[in-house]
Amino acid sequence: RKEVEQDPGPFNVPEGATVAFNCTYSNSASQSFFWYRQDCRKEPKLLMSVYSSGNEDGRFTAQLNRASQYISLLIRDSKLSDSATYLCVVNLWSGGTSYGKLTFGQGTILTVHP
Amino acid sequence: ETGVTQTPRHLVMGMTNKKSLKCEQHLGHNAMYWYKQSAKKPLELMFVYSLEERVENNSVPSRFSPECPNSSHLFLHLHTLQPEDSALYLCASSQDLVTGTDTQYFGPGTRLTVL
Repeated sequence: RKEVEQDPGPFNVPEGATVAFNCTYSNSASQSFFWYRQDCRKEPKLLMSVYSSGNEDGRFTAQLNRASQYISLLIRDSKLSDSATYLCVVNLWSGGTSYGKLTFGQGTILTVHP
Repeated sequence: ETGVTQTPRHLVMGMTNKKSLKCEQHLGHNAMYWYKQSAKKPLELMFVYSLEERVENNSVPSRFSPECPNSSHLFLHLHTLQPEDSALYLCASSQDLVTGTDTQYFGPGTRLTVL
């Protein structure tokens, strides 16, 4: 089983649509969670962190379900500029003086069309 | 834009060549990373440096040799590579080694093609 698993898509949606991405992770000791965005031939950039209580940043909402080891990202009112690959990222950190490692999912490709 | 720069942006090399990738961060961070991103595969962590000391070598073949002369610069020396090493090589930095919520900032990457 992959450590971080995402539906690779691609998702093709019209402008204004709502789209949701899912991600599962295998290690229950994982501590923190993120969504990164990667544009074509560019580097990954942090989109948002994901908190247990759920968090929202404008049109983007992230949810975490630790019991099910499941993370989601919801994009409302999609824009053409949202077209990118969305990477689910999990940080396995056991606390104390150790350090964590970011484990990346394969990414979900989103294309928003006019 | 991100404060992490990489050179060259594109590199084509033969299997017998020796080349080096350079990364520089202007963010005052203490930790730097090398990742490999192959087509249709997740990013793979290769090396981790903290305060110029290597703390992680993620089972990377010896034909990849990292060097961190100071906390702002990171190199990846390449020699006798294989065609399957063709990939996007990304450098990243973070304030310190990633713990709870620290963010990593990525450079634009070097797209490497091995002939």
